[in-house]
Amino acid sequence: GAGVSQTPSNKVTEKGKYVELRCDPISGHTALYWYRQSLGQGPEFLIYFQGTGAADDSGLPNDRFFAVRPEGSVSTLKIQRTERGDSAVYLCASSLQGGLTYNEQFFGPGTRLTVL
Amino acid sequence: AQSVTQLGSHVSVSEGALVLLRCNYSSSVPPYLFWYVQYPNQGLQLLLKYTSAATLVKGINGFEAEFKKSETSFHLTKPSAHMSDAAEYFCAVYWGGNFGNEKLTFGTGTRLTIIP
Repeated sequence: GAGVSQTPSNKVTEKGKYVELRCDPISGHTALYWYRQSLGQGPEFLIYFQGTGAADDSGLPNDRFFAVRPEGSVSTLKIQRTERGDSAVYLCASSLQGGLTYNEQFFGPGTRLTVL
Repeated sequence: AQSVTQLGSHVSVSEGALVLLRCNYSSSVPPYLFWYVQYPNQGLQLLLKYTSAATLVKGINGFEAEFKKSETSFHLTKPSAHMSDAAEYFCAVYWGGNFGNEKLTFGTGTRLTIIP
């Protein structure tokens, strides 16, 4: 009966390094979302997957950010050449299907990324 | 432009007093509206949602919210605050329905403190 899990829970890296953040959605959920929550702000949408494909990546801030979901389950958010401004909590959510009118998003606890 | 605003980044109420957290949206088309709660080091949890059925929505933990189209508001209330209600609360809106627009837009959050 596991919920959405994210690893690692905390990640500290140095400016310019590459990081990967992992999300394990609830089993059977076809829709997966990534959000970023900066200090004192609400979560901001990054990308939405339906199955293996990115249906909406309009929230990715620039080409240093990339996400994959190769088998339609686990997703990895990849950040290249990290900058101090990337420091935030990265949240993952999944829902049974797309369509938020009738499908609830279940959120993971997040990964806190700190770029020194 | 479509947006969501939460008035008051911090709200303090005495235990047993009324809780009122404010949320307003800006849109020519009424969106679907959600309230989420976030406890420290935990993921966002859905409290309640409005999806164009009843305008008064009851959620978990004794919370409720009323959709008022004329005021473009969806304020969250609870008649009697409990110490366990201390958390961060986020209002979120969803304007989707079209494929590729499946995302929540969150307000900046309101931190609720309960005074014993």
